[in-house]
Parts: sequence; structure tokens; C-alpha cells
Amino acid sequence: SQQGEEDPQALSIQEGENATMNCSYKTSINNLQWYRQNSGRGLVHLILIRSNEREKHSGRLRVTLDTSKKSSSLLITASRAADTASYFCATDPIYGGSQGNLIFGKGTKLSVKP
Amino acid sequence: DVKVTQSSRYLVKRTGEKVFLECVQDMDHENMFWYRQDPGLGLRLIYFSYDVKMKEKGDIPEGYSVSREKKERFSLILESASTNQTSMYLCASSSSKRATYEQYFGPGTRLTVT
Repeated sequence: SQQGEEDPQALSIQEGENATMNCSYKTSINNLQWYRQNSGRGLVHLILIRSNEREKHSGRLRVTLDTSKKSSSLLITASRAADTASYFCATDPIYGGSQGNLIFGKGTKLSVKP
Repeated sequence: DVKVTQSSRYLVKRTGEKVFLECVQDMDHENMFWYRQDPGLGLRLIYFSYDVKMKEKGDIPEGYSVSREKKERFSLILESASTNQTSMYLCASSSSKRATYEQYFGPGTRLTVT
């Protein structure tokens, strides 16, 4: 059951530029999370935004959430080659089903060229 | 720091073999998950568990089973491996005490079935 859909599927930028990735989802949520995956590795949790928050910052990361549009964006400022990775959004949906069962999108593959 | 370990990074098995993938977490997390990740398909949930000896089917449980005899260990079993089970397998855990349910991932096991 795919909920989050990231856009674009792939993004290539130069070092120092900003990278913006978007995520759309279908049902109401408790929170939305962003994860990073370096090539061939596990996912690493980056940042979480609750449904009653509109914006959150962590270092060079800025996340926004628009619950009326069911969308979120992840902005990485002043990108570095080390930011090259795939980025996934994951939603914690509000429904009477299984708690803690996050729904992951298919990811955006970011390539930062030095 | 949460640590989730998986028994193998790379595994090559023959069609028809029984395959065991082991996952161990050291943070006393209640919830544990098994995903498979394939290009273009994102993460797909195979099975999850909220407690010892409890298991729930995810989106693609066919051909798989799981075992959770101890809280820290969650095993994925391929009863009779087939070539279409060649994939990256990711284990994750999360705490029920934190209502935000961030997941912590292991490094992944890349399984090839020949």
C-alpha cells in the first residue's frame, strides 16, 4: 500500500546548490518522516514533522508540511557531494490499523556533483 | 545509539534452499519489521511484529515466514528460495513508547538466488 510518492525520481545538482524534493500522500497522517539511504546501505532517519507543524529545521535540512494539499518538501541547502543518496518520505497514517507501520515512498535519487 | 544488525551483508543461495535472515536490535524496541527493496518499487513490507511471538503480514508475505522468539531478534525465513526473491532485505525496529515511531534500519542483506 504505497502512500508517499516522491518527486522528482532523480535530481542532479552541483555542489553548493540547493536541492528540493517533494512528497505527496493520500490519507491523513500523524507525522511525516524523511530518511536517507546511501548506496547499498540501510535507511537513516533524518527529520520528522508532526501533522500540526508547518515547518521544521535541522542543520541544512528544512522540511515543510501542507496537510491541506497532503504534501511535504525537503530542502537541502548548500549541498555537498556527501549528500548524494536516495531520500525517502514515510508517513504514519491515521487509521485504525497497525500502529508504527510507516508507509514509505519510492524515493528521490539525489546526485551532487563536485 | 540504536544498533540494528543483520546476519549477512551478502548471501548467495540456490533455488529451493531454505534461507534464514537474522536481525538483532539492542534498544529494547517492541516493533520490528522486514522489508524488501527492489529498483523502481521502493520498500515493500513483508512482515512485522509488535511483540515476542507476535507477527503480522505486510504487503507481500507470500513465500516468507518470520519468527520472533526473543524481543531483540526477528528472523525472516524463505521456505524455498526462488529467483524472484533475489533482492535487498532490510530489517528495522521502532519503539512503541515513542508515539512517533521512527524506524532504525540495519545495513541490509543483498540476497541472490541462483
